[in-house]
Amino acid sequence: DADVTQTPRNRITKTGKRIMLECSQTKGHDRMYWYRQDPGLGLRLIYYSFDVKDINKGEISDGYSVSRQAQAKFSLSLESAIPNQTALYFCATSDRATRADTQYFGPGTRLTVL
Amino acid sequence: ELKVEQNPLFLSMQEGKNYTIYCNYSTTSDRLYWYRQDPGKSLESLFVLLSNGAVKQEGRLMASLDTKARLSTLHITAAVHDLSATYFCAGSPPSTSGSRLTFGEGTQLTVNP
Repeated sequence: DADVTQTPRNRITKTGKRIMLECSQTKGHDRMYWYRQDPGLGLRLIYYSFDVKDINKGEISDGYSVSRQAQAKFSLSLESAIPNQTALYFCATSDRATRADTQYFGPGTRLTVL
Repeated sequence: ELKVEQNPLFLSMQEGKNYTIYCNYSTTSDRLYWYRQDPGKSLESLFVLLSNGAVKQEGRLMASLDTKARLSTLHITAAVHDLSATYFCAGSPPSTSGSRLTFGEGTQLTVNP
Protein backbone atom coordinates (compact mmCIF):
# COMPACT_ATOMS: atom_id res chain seq x y z
CA ASP A 1 0.00 0.00 0.00
CA ALA A 2 1.13 3.54 -0.76
CA ASP A 3 2.52 5.53 2.18
CA VAL A 4 0.84 8.78 1.06
CA THR A 5 -2.58 8.57 -0.54
CA GLN A 6 -4.76 11.26 -2.07
CA THR A 7 -8.45 11.21 -2.90
CA PRO A 8 -9.93 11.76 -5.37
CA ARG A 9 -7.31 11.18 -8.05
CA ASN A 10 -9.26 13.09 -10.65
CA ARG A 11 -12.05 15.61 -10.27
CA ILE A 12 -13.97 17.80 -12.67
CA THR A 13 -16.13 20.50 -11.14
CA LYS A 14 -17.83 23.76 -12.02
CA THR A 15 -17.01 27.32 -11.09
CA GLY A 16 -18.36 28.24 -7.67
CA LYS A 17 -18.50 24.72 -6.26
CA ARG A 18 -16.84 23.72 -3.00
CA ILE A 19 -14.23 21.03 -3.35
CA MET A 20 -12.26 19.06 -0.78
CA LEU A 21 -9.11 17.12 -1.54
CA GLU A 22 -7.95 14.64 1.05
CA CYS A 23 -4.55 13.31 1.98
CA SER A 24 -3.68 10.45 4.30
CA GLN A 25 -0.31 9.01 5.26
CA THR A 26 0.93 5.93 7.05
CA LYS A 27 4.55 7.07 7.30
CA GLY A 28 4.11 8.42 10.82
CA HIS A 29 5.44 11.82 9.76
CA ASP A 30 4.47 14.94 11.67
CA ARG A 31 4.74 17.45 8.82
CA MET A 32 2.34 17.65 5.89
CA TYR A 33 2.12 19.95 2.88
CA TRP A 34 -0.10 20.87 -0.04
CA TYR A 35 1.36 21.98 -3.39
CA ARG A 36 -0.06 22.75 -6.77
CA GLN A 37 1.74 22.10 -10.03
CA ASP A 38 1.16 24.09 -13.19
CA PRO A 39 3.00 23.47 -16.46
CA GLY A 40 6.27 25.39 -16.58
CA LEU A 41 5.96 26.67 -13.01
CA GLY A 42 7.25 23.79 -10.95
CA LEU A 43 5.48 23.21 -7.66
CA ARG A 44 4.21 25.98 -5.42
CA LEU A 45 3.43 25.62 -1.74
CA ILE A 46 -0.18 26.30 -0.71
CA TYR A 47 -0.25 25.37 3.00
CA TYR A 48 1.87 23.38 5.39
CA SER A 49 1.38 21.92 8.85
CA PHE A 50 4.09 20.98 11.34
CA ASP A 51 1.64 19.20 13.62
CA VAL A 52 -2.10 19.05 14.26
CA LYS A 53 -2.21 22.47 15.92
CA ASP A 54 0.28 24.24 13.68
CA ILE A 55 -0.93 25.31 10.23
CA ASN A 56 0.80 27.88 8.05
CA LYS A 57 0.18 29.62 4.78
CA GLY A 58 2.46 29.01 1.86
CA GLU A 59 3.18 31.28 -1.06
CA ILE A 60 -0.23 30.88 -2.78
CA SER A 61 -2.83 30.32 -0.06
CA ASP A 62 -5.51 32.72 -1.35
CA GLY A 63 -8.68 30.85 -2.31
CA TYR A 64 -7.70 27.75 -0.32
CA SER A 65 -8.16 26.51 3.22
CA VAL A 66 -6.92 23.42 5.05
CA SER A 67 -7.78 21.19 7.94
CA ARG A 68 -5.44 18.87 9.85
CA GLN A 69 -7.89 16.37 11.30
CA ALA A 70 -5.24 14.09 12.75
CA GLN A 71 -1.52 13.59 12.42
CA ALA A 72 -2.16 11.33 9.45
CA LYS A 73 -4.78 13.43 7.63
CA PHE A 74 -4.55 16.81 5.94
CA SER A 75 -7.36 18.15 3.73
CA LEU A 76 -7.34 21.00 1.24
CA SER A 77 -10.54 22.88 0.44
CA LEU A 78 -11.45 25.22 -2.36
CA GLU A 79 -14.43 27.13 -0.99
CA SER A 80 -15.56 28.47 -4.36
CA ALA A 81 -13.59 26.95 -7.20
CA ILE A 82 -12.50 29.09 -10.13
CA PRO A 83 -11.00 28.01 -13.48
CA ASN A 84 -7.48 29.20 -12.67
CA GLN A 85 -7.40 26.66 -9.85
CA THR A 86 -7.27 23.95 -12.49
CA ALA A 87 -3.99 22.18 -11.70
CA LEU A 88 -2.34 19.06 -10.38
CA TYR A 89 -2.36 19.02 -6.58
CA PHE A 90 0.15 17.13 -4.50
CA CYS A 91 0.25 16.31 -0.82
CA ALA A 92 3.61 15.63 0.81
CA THR A 93 4.90 14.57 4.22
CA SER A 94 8.20 14.84 6.06
CA ASP A 95 9.73 13.87 9.36
CA ARG A 96 11.28 16.66 11.42
CA ALA A 97 13.29 14.10 13.37
CA THR A 98 15.54 13.58 10.35
CA ARG A 99 18.18 16.15 9.45
CA ALA A 100 17.31 15.89 5.76
CA ASP A 101 13.57 16.48 6.34
CA THR A 102 12.96 15.06 2.87
CA GLN A 103 9.42 15.50 1.60
CA TYR A 104 7.62 12.44 0.19
CA PHE A 105 4.84 13.07 -2.27
CA GLY A 106 1.47 11.46 -2.83
CA PRO A 107 0.22 10.42 -6.29
CA GLY A 108 -1.53 13.72 -6.98
CA THR A 109 -5.07 14.89 -7.70
CA ARG A 110 -5.85 16.31 -11.10
CA LEU A 111 -8.51 19.01 -10.66
CA THR A 112 -10.33 20.67 -13.53
CA VAL A 113 -12.62 23.64 -12.87
CA LEU A 114 -14.95 24.45 -15.75
CA GLU B 1 12.63 35.39 -0.75
CA LEU B 2 14.35 32.37 -2.19
CA LYS B 3 14.20 31.95 -5.96
CA VAL B 4 15.39 28.82 -7.74
CA GLU B 5 16.24 28.65 -11.41
CA GLN B 6 17.13 25.63 -13.46
CA ASN B 7 18.75 25.38 -16.84
CA PRO B 8 18.24 24.11 -19.32
CA LEU B 9 14.47 23.73 -19.12
CA PHE B 10 14.46 21.25 -21.98
CA LEU B 11 17.23 18.82 -22.75
CA SER B 12 17.32 16.27 -25.54
CA MET B 13 20.34 14.01 -25.55
CA GLN B 14 21.56 10.80 -27.08
CA GLU B 15 22.09 7.62 -25.18
CA GLY B 16 25.62 7.26 -23.96
CA LYS B 17 26.29 10.98 -23.69
CA ASN B 18 27.04 13.02 -20.58
CA TYR B 19 25.31 16.21 -19.54
CA THR B 20 24.76 18.52 -16.57
CA ILE B 21 21.64 20.25 -15.28
CA TYR B 22 22.24 23.45 -13.33
CA CYS B 23 20.28 24.79 -10.39
CA ASN B 24 20.96 28.34 -9.21
CA TYR B 25 19.34 29.83 -6.14
CA SER B 26 19.12 33.44 -5.06
CA THR B 27 19.69 33.48 -1.30
CA THR B 28 21.11 31.20 1.33
CA SER B 29 19.53 27.78 1.20
CA ASP B 30 19.85 25.40 4.11
CA ARG B 31 19.75 22.34 1.91
CA LEU B 32 19.11 21.40 -1.68
CA TYR B 33 16.90 18.60 -2.98
CA TRP B 34 16.63 16.88 -6.32
CA TYR B 35 13.45 15.12 -7.43
CA ARG B 36 12.45 13.15 -10.49
CA GLN B 37 8.96 13.15 -12.03
CA ASP B 38 7.82 10.76 -14.76
CA PRO B 39 4.94 11.94 -16.99
CA GLY B 40 1.63 11.81 -15.13
CA LYS B 41 3.34 10.58 -11.97
CA SER B 42 4.34 11.89 -8.59
CA LEU B 43 7.73 13.23 -7.51
CA GLU B 44 10.41 10.81 -6.39
CA SER B 45 13.21 11.97 -4.10
CA LEU B 46 16.66 11.50 -5.62
CA PHE B 47 19.12 13.39 -3.44
CA VAL B 48 19.35 15.79 -0.53
CA LEU B 49 22.50 17.86 -0.18
CA LEU B 50 23.08 19.24 3.28
CA SER B 51 26.37 21.13 3.19
CA ASN B 52 28.84 22.92 0.99
CA GLY B 53 30.81 20.49 -1.15
CA ALA B 54 28.34 17.65 -0.65
CA VAL B 55 28.29 15.10 -3.44
CA LYS B 56 25.82 12.26 -3.80
CA GLN B 57 25.73 9.58 -6.48
CA GLU B 58 23.20 6.98 -7.47
CA GLY B 59 23.76 5.00 -10.63
CA ARG B 60 24.28 7.36 -13.56
CA LEU B 61 23.26 10.46 -11.59
CA MET B 62 25.54 12.56 -9.43
CA ALA B 63 24.49 15.70 -7.56
CA SER B 64 26.73 18.32 -5.98
CA LEU B 65 26.31 21.51 -3.99
CA ASP B 66 28.40 24.70 -3.90
CA THR B 67 26.80 26.99 -1.34
CA LYS B 68 29.24 29.83 -2.01
CA ALA B 69 28.24 29.94 -5.67
CA ARG B 70 24.62 29.13 -4.76
CA LEU B 71 24.73 26.38 -7.33
CA SER B 72 23.81 22.73 -7.45
CA THR B 73 24.42 20.45 -10.40
CA LEU B 74 22.93 17.14 -11.48
CA HIS B 75 25.35 15.30 -13.74
CA ILE B 76 24.18 12.52 -16.00
CA THR B 77 26.75 9.98 -17.10
CA ALA B 78 26.25 7.77 -20.16
CA ALA B 79 22.55 8.52 -20.40
CA VAL B 80 20.03 5.75 -21.01
CA HIS B 81 16.41 6.01 -22.14
CA ASP B 82 15.11 5.16 -18.66
CA LEU B 83 16.45 8.48 -17.39
CA SER B 84 13.91 10.37 -19.51
CA ALA B 85 11.85 12.40 -17.01
CA THR B 86 11.50 15.88 -15.56
CA TYR B 87 14.03 16.75 -12.87
CA PHE B 88 13.37 19.37 -10.22
CA CYS B 89 15.68 20.99 -7.74
CA ALA B 90 14.29 22.65 -4.62
CA GLY B 91 15.82 24.75 -1.88
CA SER B 92 14.72 25.88 1.55
CA PRO B 93 15.54 29.01 3.56
CA PRO B 94 17.57 28.18 6.68
CA SER B 95 14.95 29.37 9.17
CA THR B 96 12.42 26.78 8.05
CA SER B 97 14.66 23.75 8.54
CA GLY B 98 13.91 22.34 5.15
CA SER B 99 10.16 22.60 5.35
CA ARG B 100 9.29 25.43 2.99
CA LEU B 101 10.58 24.22 -0.33
CA THR B 102 10.93 26.50 -3.32
CA PHE B 103 11.08 24.52 -6.55
CA GLY B 104 12.76 25.32 -9.83
CA GLU B 105 10.73 25.14 -13.02
CA GLY B 106 12.01 21.68 -13.82
CA THR B 107 14.24 20.30 -16.59
CA GLN B 108 12.49 18.00 -19.04
CA LEU B 109 15.05 15.42 -20.13
CA THR B 110 14.56 13.23 -23.18
CA VAL B 111 17.14 10.56 -23.92
CA ASN B 112 17.01 9.35 -27.50
CA PRO B 113 18.34 6.01 -28.77
